[in-house]
Amino acid sequence: NAGVMQNPRHLVRRRGQEARLRCSPMKGHSHVYWYRQLPEEGLKFMVYLQKENIIDESGMPKERFSAEFPKEGPSILRIQQVVRGDSAAYFCASSPPELAGQQYYNEQFFGPGTRLTVL
Amino acid sequence: AQKITQTQPGMFVQEKEAVTLDCTYDTSDPSYGLFWYKQPSSGEMIFLIYQGSYDQQNATEGRYSLNFQKARKSANLVISASQLGDSAMYFCAMREGRVRDDKIIFGKGTRLHILP
Repeated sequence: NAGVMQNPRHLVRRRGQEARLRCSPMKGHSHVYWYRQLPEEGLKFMVYLQKENIIDESGMPKERFSAEFPKEGPSILRIQQVVRGDSAAYFCASSPPELAGQQYYNEQFFGPGTRLTVL
Repeated sequence: AQKITQTQPGMFVQEKEAVTLDCTYDTSDPSYGLFWYKQPSSGEMIFLIYQGSYDQQNATEGRYSLNFQKARKSANLVISASQLGDSAMYFCAMREGRVRDDKIIFGKGTRLHILP
């Protein structure tokens, strides 16, 4: 069972370009979370999605950032008109749907991250 | 206010010694979960251990144990018999509330160096 996949692992963009980061959750997982890690910092929550729905986007910058998780295909985090301050590691995590009788536990399985560098 | 506080930015420990990484948290929600993650230099996030706020016993996973002191809002990670491969960043994290899908809030991390 493959883990959470993210691609690309490294992405270089010039200021003003667009960055598209992809995340394929673990098989059977229907919940996807995106986090951003600035250098020497912990991860900061950005957005939580289920298939075709944004559940919580309280951590997303109001402009230039968007996320989707379509019915088919990976989740996409899109950053338009990137700036140097967007340089960071972007992590995706997934968790399975809650099943009846399952012990309450929110383990999120993290992908390897995408390191975005804006020149 | 910081939800998760890790006061040790860096630590140096001799191999084979036990290590305690400090973590305090702040929440008014009676239901929460606490996590520790390891991030080696390769960058991936590795889940280590979980403690629920209603768990009666301290969580343990192999060489990792979580010293959970609820009244003090403290959730220190203890690594017994440290190894060179334990050198990494360690993040304490918390999920608040009863809804299992709540986001995880991370501390700033502690960089652990194990010395041969």
